[in-house]
Amino acid sequence: GESVGLHLPTLSVQEGDNSIINCAYSNSASDYFIWYKQESGKGPQFIIDIRSNMDKRQGQRVTVLLNKTVKHLSLQIAATQPGDSAVYFCAENRGSSNDYKLSFGAGTTVTVRA
Amino acid sequence: DTGVSQNPRHKITKRGQNVTFRCDPISEHNRLYWYRQTLGQGPEFLTYFQNEAQLEKSRLLSDRFSAERPKGSFSTLEIQRTEQGDSAMYLCASSSGQGETEAFFGQGTRLTVV
Repeated sequence: GESVGLHLPTLSVQEGDNSIINCAYSNSASDYFIWYKQESGKGPQFIIDIRSNMDKRQGQRVTVLLNKTVKHLSLQIAATQPGDSAVYFCAENRGSSNDYKLSFGAGTTVTVRA
Repeated sequence: DTGVSQNPRHKITKRGQNVTFRCDPISEHNRLYWYRQTLGQGPEFLTYFQNEAQLEKSRLLSDRFSAERPKGSFSTLEIQRTEQGDSAMYLCASSSGQGETEAFFGQGTRLTVV
């Protein structure tokens, strides 16, 4: 079965608000996680990653938080824009740091309201 | 466009026919991955190559599926005797395999078996 999953399949956000997308994983040995964004008709696009020796990592308008105690990670998007509307996947890398043998969750569909 | 290229973008075939998809990775990326994505789900790992060597195959890759990367550049994924359950998006990704670099996905080939 899948080892990663998302809490909610859909999220509706007002433009300009912050978005929080959650993900739970079950394999406590997992040490590398990635968030992907997938727009309709396109392949997944890398957003941000985090290793298990970190609990927070920031990018441009995005922050990933990792809580190993409860095996939970989240993606925060600041000042959500219409272009952020997409399906967001968390993925666990079951390979080494260079092997992208990823296990994906089912995804959260984010819809940004104008 | 120097990203991962997949052809064709769409394929409709009759049940029982064979189909072949092609993936051209980013130039000089020595790792190439195939994933399958069904509607509403996250991608599922199928197999990956380092140069021309196929290093791992998922249990999802039945005997009807075969992947090759003969010269360590482009790859093909063939499905023989297609079944309706093979209908999905087939995604290819590549990575350099050096350092902590991300894997880049192509736009996928959408297969519909009728």
